[in-house]
Order: sequence, then structure tokens, then C-alpha cells
Amino acid sequence: GQNIDQPTEMTATEGAIVQINCTYQTSGFNGLFWYQQHAGEAPTFLSYNVLDGLEEKGRFSSFLSRSKGYSYLLLKELQMKDSASYLCAVTDSNYQLIWGAGTKLIIKP
Amino acid sequence: DGGITQSPKYLFRKEGQNVTLSCEQNLNHDAMYWYRQDPGQGLRLIYYSQIVNDFQKGDIAEGYSVSREKKESFPLTVTSAQKNPTAFYLCASSDSPGSGANVLTFGAGSRLTVL
Repeated sequence: GQNIDQPTEMTATEGAIVQINCTYQTSGFNGLFWYQQHAGEAPTFLSYNVLDGLEEKGRFSSFLSRSKGYSYLLLKELQMKDSASYLCAVTDSNYQLIWGAGTKLIIKP
Repeated sequence: DGGITQSPKYLFRKEGQNVTLSCEQNLNHDAMYWYRQDPGQGLRLIYYSQIVNDFQKGDIAEGYSVSREKKESFPLTVTSAQKNPTAFYLCASSDSPGSGANVLTFGAGSRLTVL
């Protein structure tokens, strides 16, 4: 079966750095997404990786290793507004999106 | 501003009733999707449509129905046949279905509670 694993919850301190991991086992691979979702709101697109390596976008970076079926989202200089759930999703060989359950990130002052 | 509008934001339903959730987009996107979100689970696809007057079942279509009569609109009906309809429903759209880089734009969601 197809599976995406993320930690359920993480806690970090304002101003620090946090890394949220995502491992996947899917039928083929056509890209990996990270979305941010504040409680009760719509998910919003953060990043897309299809080739191995690190993509940096401001305070957020996303890394992909296709051979290991692994990605991480790195958040730097954490702010209170970064408290949210972070969803990992993979596009499989049929271009269907497979979603992880999300990681709830709690930022403490 | 372009976006997706879902209504109502909150809806309460008695058992045995059908309810319809509205989803309208002004992004000129061809593809539209309905997802269900439950605590501790990933988003699950209910139905999707890549073109007007055509739609396909997703992973959990039983107890739901949709229509796509206009490009801008993709309403979802939760029927009485849906055994556990209490959930957060998300509508999304995209302009690149069938590609790896298919970025979805989501509406704000509709929370349905069955009393």
C-alpha cells in the first residue's frame, strides 16, 4: 500500500530551528509537496520538490532524497505565527496525491 | 482577488438529511477537488473533476455526490447514505491536473456536524 509518515506533534521555541521529517512509500513518484494549515483554515502551499536536494525559500527550506523516500521541512527563526500543522503529500505514478496525516507544530515563547 | 469560496463554514445536520456544500472558484482553474479531513488522518479524496460535465470518484466517494455544470462551481452533496459524515470538508482547485507539480488552492473549508 501507499504510505506517508510524519510525526504527529512537535514542540519548538520561538527563534529556534525545527526540522519536520516525512518518509514515503508510494507507487512511483512525481513530486513531493509541503503545505501549511492553521487550525480550522485552508492548507496553503509551501514547497514542491521533484529532484534531490535542498530548496530554500526565505525562512523555510525543503529537502528531498528520492533514493531514501525521505523529505524534511526546515523552519528557521521560528515565529509564533508558525504554529500550525504541516502536511506532506506525494504525487504517485498516476499523478494522484497521497497525503500524510500532518505534523502539528507548537511554538513556545 | 482570485480564490475559492466555500459555504457554509459551519453546518449542522440531522441524521437522514441530505446537505449540499457549495464551492465556487474564480481562478479559471480546470480541475476541482473535494477532500475530507478527519483528526489524525491525511486528506482523503472524495471526488474530482478535470473538466465541465465530467467527474471521477476518489477514494471515499460512497455516500457523496457531485455535479460540475459550470467551470466555476463544484457542489458536494452529503447524502443520508454517508454513515459518518461529521468532518471538515475542503474544496480545492488546480490548473495542472495530470502533472507532478499540481499545486492545489484550497477553500477555507466547511465543518459538518451530524446531530
